[in-house]
Amino acid sequence: QKEVEQNSGPLSVPEGAIASLNCTYSDRGSQSFFWYRQYSGKSPELIMFIYSNGDKEDGRFTAQLNKASQYVSLLIRDSQPSDSATYLCAVNIGNAGNMLTFGGGTRLMVKP
Amino acid sequence: EPEVTQTPSHQVTQMGQEVILRCVPISNHLYFYWYRQILGQKVEFLVSFYNNEISEKSEIFDDQFSVERPDGSNFTLKIRSTKLEDSAMYFCASSGDLAEAFFGQGTRLTVV
Repeated sequence: QKEVEQNSGPLSVPEGAIASLNCTYSDRGSQSFFWYRQYSGKSPELIMFIYSNGDKEDGRFTAQLNKASQYVSLLIRDSQPSDSATYLCAVNIGNAGNMLTFGGGTRLMVKP
Repeated sequence: EPEVTQTPSHQVTQMGQEVILRCVPISNHLYFYWYRQILGQKVEFLVSFYNNEISEKSEIFDDQFSVERPDGSNFTLKIRSTKLEDSAMYFCASSGDLAEAFFGQGTRLTVV
């Protein structure tokens, strides 16, 4: 069973702080990793993807991947109340069809 | 900005009835997907479709489900005989060569 695990939260941070969201995955064959944001009642919205070990930055977001530890994280700098949402980690294990396995999500609350 | 569009946004159906959920993927994308999310649970993969055939499907995607690309733009999910447990948000997604999937806004299916 290929699993993607996330702490369900809620993770509460003050406005302007760094939010750190973590994800572990079980399949060592996993090749690409994605972070989605999902507001309540809405669809997942792609924030970032990462394929290689290390860090990848895009604006206020940084994705970090450590394949040896089977760990991927998302840092959100200068957190805003509008960042309050559930953050979904998704993993592609490289099968034909590019299917994604999702974690259960971490609920982030940014307090003004 | 191109987006995945889904219709209807909400469908109510009686148990045992057939439903067809419709999607228009992003026009230059190659892979099409259906995912579902039961209220309060993870996003779950159902099926992926590439080159006019199913490329991957999950255990959820049993004989009650089928997909079709009836023309150059639409992608449909049919549930032949709906059950109460089919009630969920159904998301269509599409991606290009890589696995970054973009999701539509979803169809909320309620089986009564």
